[in-house]
Amino acid sequence: NAGVTQTPKFQVLKTGQSMTLQCAQDMNHNSMYWYRQDPGMGLRLIYYSASEGTTDKGEVPNGYNVSRLNKREFSLRLESAAPSQTSVYFCAGDVGGGYGYTFGSGTRLTVV
Amino acid sequence: DQQVKQNSPSLSVQEGRISILNCDYTNSMFDYFLWYKKYPAEGPTFLISISSIKDKNEDGRFTVFLNKSAKHLSLHIVPSQPGDSAVYFCAAKTSGTYKYIFGTGTRLKVLA
Repeated sequence: NAGVTQTPKFQVLKTGQSMTLQCAQDMNHNSMYWYRQDPGMGLRLIYYSASEGTTDKGEVPNGYNVSRLNKREFSLRLESAAPSQTSVYFCAGDVGGGYGYTFGSGTRLTVV
Repeated sequence: DQQVKQNSPSLSVQEGRISILNCDYTNSMFDYFLWYKKYPAEGPTFLISISSIKDKNEDGRFTVFLNKSAKHLSLHIVPSQPGDSAVYFCAAKTSGTYKYIFGTGTRLKVLA
């Protein structure tokens, strides 16, 4: 029972490169989320998917796209990476029942 | 516009004493609140929750208090243990919505 799995754990990109952060859950969550964590900024919501086939913007969506491929998978894509996107990215699924989210262990991304 | 604020970036407490972490919010529509704990290189994990119909919720050494009129919640840890050293995030949402809004976090250090 892996919960929420993110890949890769670490990534260094050059400015302008593209990449996709992968997230998969085996907990049958309907809702899934992508957050970024920056020093002094807490966790900020990038995009979320309330259910399979739907996606919506969060607080900081610019520069990102997402795909909810199926119920298990929710990917985050950076089309043209910028140094401002250097951050730790967390994927999460909604546990329901008032217990909030189950988070993955994060992807540390550095854009140089 | 930070809707959920944790004004103390860090807190140090002696082992065995009480730790009090504070969180303020501005949106009066928030009616469900969570606390998460985060260790380095891991995703946040759920700690305790409270809904607006209550003013207190306890789970072992952890108690969350909610003061709706002041738009303030606090997390009490008694007694504090070195293993409690982590970053603590509060989060809030409105019923019927999918998104939790997170605070900026407070780093707790429990000194042995």
